[in-house]
Amino acid sequence: SAVISQKPSRDICQRGTSLTIQCQVDSQVTMMFWYRQQPGQSLTLIATANQGSEATYESGFVIDKFPISRPNLTFSTLTVSNMSPEDSSIYLCSEQGALRNEQFFGPGTRLTVL
Amino acid sequence: QKEVEQDPGPLSVPEGAIVSLNCTYSNSAFQYFMWYRQYSRKGPELLMYTYSSGNKEDGRFTAQVDKSSKYISLFIRDSQPSDSATYLCAVDNDYKLSFGAGTTVTVRA
Repeated sequence: SAVISQKPSRDICQRGTSLTIQCQVDSQVTMMFWYRQQPGQSLTLIATANQGSEATYESGFVIDKFPISRPNLTFSTLTVSNMSPEDSSIYLCSEQGALRNEQFFGPGTRLTVL
Repeated sequence: QKEVEQDPGPLSVPEGAIVSLNCTYSNSAFQYFMWYRQYSRKGPELLMYTYSSGNKEDGRFTAQVDKSSKYISLFIRDSQPSDSATYLCAVDNDYKLSFGAGTTVTVRA
């Protein structure tokens, strides 16, 4: 298992502002990921956070909207930029475990945009 | 076409019943299959994983993969109220997970 923390756990933001979400894991990991879980829906991968290089974004997600940092092997941030109500969602980070089919998730950040 | 399809339910069963959850997937190249459990307002928790076809058992939980029909299943025996949660199937596509919609299960005491 893994210990993953996210900050903030929840926030209510105004349209047009930006929010940065932090993800801290308890051991050094090569791969970290950011997902979005919109209300009543499943998880969708936003990007892979690569240490020392630019994040790799999935189709439909762009760096200008969701800039990601990965300064070291235990920490990553996701920024949701120029927010609109459609960005209201739960944002989750995850880490790839030692085994191929182990991926562990943080508790999520619940974002509401007014 | 979605990579993973899952009936969102909801599913309500009495305590002690067998819960049966199913997903189908589109790409026959997928080899790794996972089931996650998500309690309300929590992150998903890895429940079980299987590689390729076959069964895997862990206590009251059994995961099955049938690659010939691209079908994955999770069975919960002797279900308990504490099993009430949303269950998500997922496939590993080169370390990137694609999830089903999730099935919300309620076990009634």
